[in-house]
Amino acid sequence: AQSVTQPDIHITVSEGASLELRCNYSYGATPYLFWYVQSPGQGLQLLLKYFSGDTLVQGIKGFEAEFKRSQSSFNLRKPSVHWSDAAEYFCAVGPTLYSGGGADGLTFGKGTHLIIQP
Amino acid sequence: GAGVSQTPSNKVTEKGKYVELRCDPISGHTALYWYRQSLGQGPEFLIYFQGTGAADDSGLPNDRFFAVRPEGSVSTLKIQRTERGDSAVYLCASSLDGRKGDTQYFGPGTRLTVL
Repeated sequence: AQSVTQPDIHITVSEGASLELRCNYSYGATPYLFWYVQSPGQGLQLLLKYFSGDTLVQGIKGFEAEFKRSQSSFNLRKPSVHWSDAAEYFCAVGPTLYSGGGADGLTFGKGTHLIIQP
Repeated sequence: GAGVSQTPSNKVTEKGKYVELRCDPISGHTALYWYRQSLGQGPEFLIYFQGTGAADDSGLPNDRFFAVRPEGSVSTLKIQRTERGDSAVYLCASSLDGRKGDTQYFGPGTRLTVL
């Protein structure tokens, strides 16, 4: 069965510092990969997604993520965080046309809570 | 344009009662998903509709949970004989046509509390 691991429950970063949030997945084949952000009282918003091709994906709000097949990882990065980036971040995987089986919905990790220090 | 909306935003009920949660997807989106998010967890897939039919209900935890989408737009998630363990935020998402990898747009959720 597919699974997503976000090893860091909480991360604290100073405003202006760089950020990396870790995500590892377990899947039968290379899935589609997503990062979502959830702010208090708001719905999940897609930051970026990876399907194929270039392993470095650019997203909204200055975020990027790198897919590493050999490590089954899809880590999210931002060179300089802003106080408004404080939120919950979720990595997710979804089935591809070729992955076969599995649910049609996304499988999410447990999330990483990002705290920004002034 | 309008995003995915869910009503009510909060629902408090007593153990054993029946509840209905409503989702209005983005206009024109044929695919609709329900997820459940328990405290401290990521969303967990429940069911996926393509048009009016449930294409994948493999995530429904048991037969107390049921969902419908009779006209291919609005969907209702129905929970019978609620239990305290059903307390969670129920999220709805829609996508344009449900193709693998299609972006899912999420609503704000309904927070269900079972006393």
